[in-house]
Amino acid sequence: GAVVSQHPSWVICKSGTSVKIECRSLDFQATTMFWYRQFPKQSLMLMATSNEGSKATYEQGVEKDKFLINHASLTLSTLTVTSAHPEDSSFYICSAQQPSSYEQYFGPGTRLTVT
Amino acid sequence: LAKTTQPISMDSYEGQEVNITCSHNNIATNDYITWYQQFPSQGPRFIIQGYKTKVTNEVASLFIPADRKSSTLSLPRVSLSDTAVYYCLVGDSTLNNAGNMLTFGGGTRLMVKP
Repeated sequence: GAVVSQHPSWVICKSGTSVKIECRSLDFQATTMFWYRQFPKQSLMLMATSNEGSKATYEQGVEKDKFLINHASLTLSTLTVTSAHPEDSSFYICSAQQPSSYEQYFGPGTRLTVT
Repeated sequence: LAKTTQPISMDSYEGQEVNITCSHNNIATNDYITWYQQFPSQGPRFIIQGYKTKVTNEVASLFIPADRKSSTLSLPRVSLSDTAVYYCLVGDSTLNNAGNMLTFGGGTRLMVKP
């Protein structure tokens, strides 16, 4: 149980375009989802916290207008990287939290490459 | 927010026991200690969590001394497939402070050799 999926697993896009990444909790309802970014050989950095039905909370230094997060249902959160640039190339990972638990369940990640 | 310090890397051989220590000197009373494993290009995977003394599950043990200022993840008889990065997180596990559990430190890169 407690499986989280991400789609796509990898994506290549051109500079200036937008990319949407989906995060789904497959067998549980997640009131809270988290989005992380991880650069090569570095640790995960929390970008934002997404709560179902409300606006996301962004960490300091993360541009909310560039990284649009939508948590429209209890099983789906999306991250849209708008006007992507090569420096946005990274590994994006989401995690989901059940209402009655503190434990995070992580997705497999999405590799974004901006050319 | 309790900061954690781990060795950057460790080497081991197949069949050996590996102990990875994490320092968290300013751990708070309500904080729990959680360890995750991450393989390249994959999301982290929960290994074990504890508050004090010793916790054991099917894959690892977690030793926490009385002062709780450090913890040690013990992996018995490692195999090549245990080569990964191991992260120690410390934070308050209550729902209204979930954010405290979300700060990943540098992690320890474990290399298991044949």
